[in-house]
Amino acid sequence: ETGVTQSPTHLIKTRGQQVTLRCSSQSGHNTVSWYQQALGQGPQFIFQYYREEENGRGNFPPRFSGLQFPNYSSELNVNALELDDSALYLCASSRDNQPQHFGDGTRLSIL
Amino acid sequence: AQSVSQHNHHVILSEAASLELGCNYSYGGTVNLFWYVQYPGQHLQLLLKYFSGDPLVKGIKGFEAEFIKSKFSFNLRKPSVQWSDTAEYFCAVNPFQGAQKLVFGQGTRLTINP
Repeated sequence: ETGVTQSPTHLIKTRGQQVTLRCSSQSGHNTVSWYQQALGQGPQFIFQYYREEENGRGNFPPRFSGLQFPNYSSELNVNALELDDSALYLCASSRDNQPQHFGDGTRLSIL
Repeated sequence: AQSVSQHNHHVILSEAASLELGCNYSYGGTVNLFWYVQYPGQHLQLLLKYFSGDPLVKGIKGFEAEFIKSKFSFNLRKPSVQWSDTAEYFCAVNPFQGAQKLVFGQGTRLTINP
């Protein structure tokens, strides 16, 4: 069984740039959630996708957007990057309301 | 504001000591509760979960947690810790019905000295 995979593992960007992070769901999972984990903090819910539609959003501005594809993989896009966007971005997949399985994350650094 | 609180930021124990990590939440109504663990260099892994039924739930690696509804608490316990339990532990709550949208605590770093 293939787990949740995220790419890239590390990324360095500068302020104002745009970034796309990718996530492949675990086999059989139809729901993808994205979380932001700042250093020393717990993950914060960004949004969730179910059957290619946004299914809930946390307290993040519209410059954070996402997509889910028919194969249930997903992208997280962040526009107009700010220094505070530096964090570990986690993707988690699940089947309906079952517990989520997390990927290793993408470490994003903004200079 | 509604939140999840973990009381201990860093806990240091010796092997064979007993462990209890506190978690309180401020959501009313029906919630799902979780403990996740993150070993050094690894991804978050589910230790245990509570959806309904027996408030004492058992998870992997000898961990258990007790849901006390009146105290809005879901504390994690292990009778005898091992060096390999060194990790970051996160309590999480899903206050929504249906698909999981987790609210995490800030985490507790557990260091076990051999």
